[in-house]
Amino acid sequence: EDQVTQSPEALRLQEGESSSLNCSYTVSGLRGLFWYRQDPGKGPEFLFTLYSAGEEKEKERLKATLTKKESFLHITAPKPEDSATYLCAVQLNTPLVFGKGTRLSVIA
Amino acid sequence: SQTIHQWPATLVQPVGSPLSLECTVEGTSNPNLYWYRQAAGRGLQLLFYSVGIGQISSEVPQNLSASRPQDRQFILSSKKLLLSDSGFYLCAWGSETGSNSPLHFGNGTRLTVT
Repeated sequence: EDQVTQSPEALRLQEGESSSLNCSYTVSGLRGLFWYRQDPGKGPEFLFTLYSAGEEKEKERLKATLTKKESFLHITAPKPEDSATYLCAVQLNTPLVFGKGTRLSVIA
Repeated sequence: SQTIHQWPATLVQPVGSPLSLECTVEGTSNPNLYWYRQAAGRGLQLLFYSVGIGQISSEVPQNLSASRPQDRQFILSSKKLLLSDSGFYLCAWGSETGSNSPLHFGNGTRLTVT
């Protein structure tokens, strides 16, 4: 059973069409939840860390939120350059455990 | 600022040949170092991590091994590659265990075993 599940697997948006990506986790004792952006052929690039339920972080058109069992990455008025795979990962008492990612395509 | 370097960027190797991928970190001391493999549809799989020179933890039994000969150098090796070793290999560094800080990744090595 996956400890971290991301949905949807793929998302296609028109430019300016806001949406949200979901990351749910089944583990307890969460010490941190991390969001990354990955472009094709590149390593993941760190975006946000969330530590406790109710916490929110923002960066440009992205906002990440955290509840007790899931996190959302909200994308407001996306642009084609936001196209990438978005990964979330959870921190327990072990190295990060990653979800499989959501592949986002933003069409002009 | 901290930087992480991985090489080579791409590699094509025949089955049964050896492998050595290298990763180095600059601008930090005593980092935790990690090797992940990313396969299509499977996400990032942790292979090895190291909290210090000569200290290696293996997460998945496999055909690969890792070594940390210097504080900021991490090497992934294999004596004989299998077809199933193909994938995208990522090195990452992080602060000391328990700090809840993010990992920072290199740009990866695309390995194709033929």
